[in-house]
Amino acid sequence: KAGVTQTPRYLIKTRGQQVTLSCSPISGHRSVSWYQQTPGQGLQFLFEYFSETQRNKGNFPGRFSGRQFSNSRSEMNVSTLELGDSALYLCASSLGKVPQYFGPGTRLTVL
Amino acid sequence: GQQLNQSPQSMFIQEGEDVSMNCTSSSIFNTWLWYKQDPGEGPVLLIALYKAGELTSNGRLTAQFGITRKDSFLNISASIPSDVGIYFCAGQQNNNDMRFGAGTRLTVKP
Repeated sequence: KAGVTQTPRYLIKTRGQQVTLSCSPISGHRSVSWYQQTPGQGLQFLFEYFSETQRNKGNFPGRFSGRQFSNSRSEMNVSTLELGDSALYLCASSLGKVPQYFGPGTRLTVL
Repeated sequence: GQQLNQSPQSMFIQEGEDVSMNCTSSSIFNTWLWYKQDPGEGPVLLIALYKAGELTSNGRLTAQFGITRKDSFLNISASIPSDVGIYFCAGQQNNNDMRFGAGTRLTVKP
């Protein structure tokens, strides 16, 4: 059974650019949630999608957005990148409300 | 948002010893979760707790959902080298909003 996959694994961008990250959940999982992990702030919840609908959103500015497609794959987008957006972005998939399986993450560096 | 207070920050123990870590919050949570993260990997769910007072085991791991719904602990018995990693607690509220602890870094000396 394939796990959660995230692409790309590494990304370098400059301030002001925008970025799109992709997450493919485990087959059959309809819930996908996104998290930001930094040494300073730790793990922080970004948002959660279920059946193409955003079910919940964390405390992040509107520059952070996401969507989910009919095949449950999800993307998150960050516009007007800032240095502080450098982080490991993790997605998780699950059958229910509890994030069960995390992907390896996308490490974003903003220069 | 407010994160959870997780302690200790790090632990250095001898193989075979028992380990205990906990998380507290000023907020009430409906679900408490414990994850382990290895370097370069995403977290792996170890135990999920859904009811106040609930005590759940997963092999050598035992976790409890505090009666006040504001805390949880995780115990690891008879630690082995592969227990090394960072352990995170997480609390989830009714609206699916999640808060995480800062993690406990566990080192096991053989």
